[in-house]
Amino acid sequence: DSGVTQTPKHLITATGQRVTLRCSPRSGDLSVYWYQQSLDQGLQFLIQYYNGEERAKGNILERFSAQQFPDLHSELNLSSLELGDSALYFCASSRGQGGMNTEAFFGQGTRLTVV
Amino acid sequence: AQSVTQLDSQVPVFEEAPVELRCNYSSSVSVYLFWYVQYPNQGLQLLLKYLSGSTLVKGINGFEAEFNKSQTSFHLRKPSVHISDTAEYFCAVSDLAGTASKLTFGTGTRLQVTL
Repeated sequence: DSGVTQTPKHLITATGQRVTLRCSPRSGDLSVYWYQQSLDQGLQFLIQYYNGEERAKGNILERFSAQQFPDLHSELNLSSLELGDSALYFCASSRGQGGMNTEAFFGQGTRLTVV
Repeated sequence: AQSVTQLDSQVPVFEEAPVELRCNYSSSVSVYLFWYVQYPNQGLQLLLKYLSGSTLVKGINGFEAEFNKSQTSFHLRKPSVHISDTAEYFCAVSDLAGTASKLTFGTGTRLQVTL
């Protein structure tokens, strides 16, 4: 158990809908990262938050957004869903925002299926 | 920008045989290097990491990796594999610069251990 909790584990929704994925980081970790894993794109970094502030942005679509709350949990919002958004979405957390504190611990992921 | 190349998408090996999973990276700055393992329907688990110091890094489950700066490689090895090592293995890099440290992953190597 990595200590990173993601809910829900599975999500099935229709095209055009909006969903929210939730992540609780390990106790004491201030950074939260979101990754997307799909068969065609592999593991892609989406976005990082550190202590409530956005720190880095990767290949995140404009239809997707994220935030980190004062209690450090994070939510990834996916809207106007398309079939191609079907993927495994991972959350990871680390102690710091970079440098030697880069070691990231991953949650079990949320499997999103868009039908 | 950084990139990671895992040359082998699949590596079949017999139980108790040695194995090497290859990883090469490209970066214009110094990097940290990681190997993660993903078991079926699981999240990613850190096997080992290179941050600095000795270039031979030992990890969990008997795995080790050697950082070779001149060849920009970080190959993963195990002298004797077990059936339970069957999984997907990902090499990843994170740069030392800046205040944010996202991971850039390779495409993964599927290790299939058989009797």
